[in-house]
Amino acid sequence: DIVMTQSPLSLPVTPGEPASISCRSSRSLLHSNGYNYLDWYLQKPGQSPQVLFFLGSVRASGVPDRFSGSGSGTDFTLKITRVEAEDVGVYYCMQALQTPFTFGQGTKLEIK
Amino acid sequence: QVQLRQWGAGLSKPSETLSLTCAVYGGSFSVYYWTWIRQPPGKGLEWIGEINHSGSTKYNPSLKSRVTISVDTSKNQFSLKLSSVTAADAAVYYCARAHGSGEIPRVNYYGMDVWGQGTTVTVSS
Repeated sequence: DIVMTQSPLSLPVTPGEPASISCRSSRSLLHSNGYNYLDWYLQKPGQSPQVLFFLGSVRASGVPDRFSGSGSGTDFTLKITRVEAEDVGVYYCMQALQTPFTFGQGTKLEIK
Repeated sequence: QVQLRQWGAGLSKPSETLSLTCAVYGGSFSVYYWTWIRQPPGKGLEWIGEINHSGSTKYNPSLKSRVTISVDTSKNQFSLKLSSVTAADAAVYYCARAHGSGEIPRVNYYGMDVWGQGTTVTVSS
């Protein structure tokens, strides 16, 4: 299985400040078709997860542009330019290159 | 707007079979992959498996011997059965819709964009 490793696991952020989450995979997620099969999901407290990005950097519908996804191969980053209170929750990366699809441990973003 | 609504027994006894169903309301049923994911208490997400409208399945090898995912296209529903449950299977179970076509890794891939509300399953005698 592809192992996904996120850091940090806990991320306290002051509103208005930036935030960054790293996700590394145990093998390259870059397919020969040129796409990186890496998703980002946010699970807000008490809710089901929601997709933020797919194929590494493609923003899902309705996701604010203060969020960005980047990276290629084995190293990926989710960035928030200015954190808002509504961004609290647990962020997961997930690889969709091969089954079983696997998730990172999750990064809990909280407001200071 | 597409919605997934799921239901099933919230309590299973050890060694019994857990059974959950997810219904798809709105949108097409035939062009997506229908997925089950679970989340043990206080832990992260685990992909269980998926099925398409024609009944083609893929399972997580860690659960493969105990998992069956099936589809009822006449009702736009898909189901999960997990046999011989133990306390380790206690979790919130989610159904979700995955975009894409063809073999994995899929083309026209858009991630898992619609999720059910989750069903909490407890395993206890």
